[in-house]
Amino acid sequence: DADVTQTPRNRITKTGKRIMLECSQTKGHDRMYWYRQDPGLGLRLIYYSFDVKDINKGEISDGYSVSRQAQAKFSLSLESAIPNQTALYFCATSEPGGQPQHFGDGTRLSIL
Amino acid sequence: QKEVEQNSGPLSVPEGAIASLNCTYSDRVSQSFFWYRQYSGKSPELIMSIYSNGDKEDGRFTAQLNKASQYVSLLIRDSQPSDSATYLCAVDPNFGNEKLTFGTGTRLTIIP
Repeated sequence: DADVTQTPRNRITKTGKRIMLECSQTKGHDRMYWYRQDPGLGLRLIYYSFDVKDINKGEISDGYSVSRQAQAKFSLSLESAIPNQTALYFCATSEPGGQPQHFGDGTRLSIL
Repeated sequence: QKEVEQNSGPLSVPEGAIASLNCTYSDRVSQSFFWYRQYSGKSPELIMSIYSNGDKEDGRFTAQLNKASQYVSLLIRDSQPSDSATYLCAVDPNFGNEKLTFGTGTRLTIIP
């Protein structure tokens, strides 16, 4: 089983719908992250959390919200989806102290 | 000015040759540097971590860091077709902050 699991893997939905992307991990890491990836723009940080009680905005948090339900679970919500939120979304985890991040398999989200 | 810059490529290298990928960064206090490999539509996979000036070797991969010149590079020896992917450079601009800044990636193609 994957250490960092994202669900769903693919999602097609309509403008205005509420969407939740889920991430769970078995690595025991405190730090969790949500990124989106668009062609030519690289990975951009949406939100990050250093522990269950800590939530921080990244560089592109507008239109998104998150919930850290437990050490192992970090969910990303789009309250009212719009077409320019169509992208590949990744969850990642890490240990503290400048350690690398480890990524889930991603969710391909298309908003029509 | 972008914080982490990479040549987007594509970089084409004959099979068996050395592929050289470069990355420059703007924040002088950066302490942690990572190379990720990403196949099309897949998640980034950690290839190398480097924290000190000099070279670090792992199999066919060598990471080189020069903090004075603010660049980090990745050499791939004996390039194989399976090395064809996009390579992402990531930098932690504030050691312990665990907020990586990613370059947009260099697309590498190994020609059989």
